[in-house]
Amino acid sequence: QVQLVQSGAEVVKPGASVKVSCKASGYTFTGYYLHWVRQAPGEGLEWMGWIDPNSGGTNSAQKFQGWVTMTRDTSTNTASLELNRLRSDDTAVYYCARDVDRGSFYFDYWGQGTLVTVSS
Amino acid sequence: EIVMTQSPATLSVSPGERATLSCRASQSVSSNLAWYQQKPGQAPRLLIFHASTRATGIPARFSGSGSGTEFTLTISSLQSEDFALYYCQQYSNWPLLAFGPGTKVDIK
Repeated sequence: QVQLVQSGAEVVKPGASVKVSCKASGYTFTGYYLHWVRQAPGEGLEWMGWIDPNSGGTNSAQKFQGWVTMTRDTSTNTASLELNRLRSDDTAVYYCARDVDRGSFYFDYWGQGTLVTVSS
Repeated sequence: EIVMTQSPATLSVSPGERATLSCRASQSVSSNLAWYQQKPGQAPRLLIFHASTRATGIPARFSGSGSGTEFTLTISSLQSEDFALYYCQQYSNWPLLAFGPGTKVDIK
C-alpha cells in the first residue's frame, strides 16, 4: 500500500535551517509528483511547492522561493524539504503529499506531518 | 493569483441532517477543484476531485457540484465521523495551487 512516512518533530532556533524528509513506499516513486503543504497552528493549509522525483525539477509558490529547497533521492525513494533562515511564523506542521499522477495537482496520499517549531 | 474563499467558517449541524458547504474562486477554475476532509491531529483526506468525482472509498453521502467560480460540497446525512474541517483546493492555475480557508462542521 502507498505510504509516505515523514521524519520526526524538530525544534530549531530563529535563523537556523532544518530538513524534513518524506520516504515513499508502495508505488513507483518517480511516477508521481510530490508536493509540500504546511499548516500553522490553528490555521489552514498552505501549498508550498512540488518536486518531480523523476527529473528533480521543482516549482514553488513565490513566498517560498529563495529560502526553501526541495530535493529527492531516487536510491532511497525519499523527498526532502530544506527550510532556511527560519522565523517564528514558520512554526507549522509540514506535510508531503502525493500528486495523483505527474501533474494533476491534487493529492491522494499524505504523510503524517512533521511539526517544526521555531523558538529561541 | 486565484483566491479561494469558503463559507460559512463554521457550520453547526445535527447528526443525520444535511450539510452544505460553499467554496468560491476569485476567477474561473473550470472544474479543477478538490475537497479534503481533515480531522484533528490528522493529515487531510481527499474526498472529491474534478468538482464532483468521489475519491476511492469515499461514501456516497458526500457529493460535490459546481463549476467556474461556485462550488458546493454536500454531506447528505451527517454521521459522527463527518464532524471535521473541510477545505477546497483549486488546481486550475497550476503550478500555483491554493486552498480555501476551510469550513468547520461541528455538532449542533
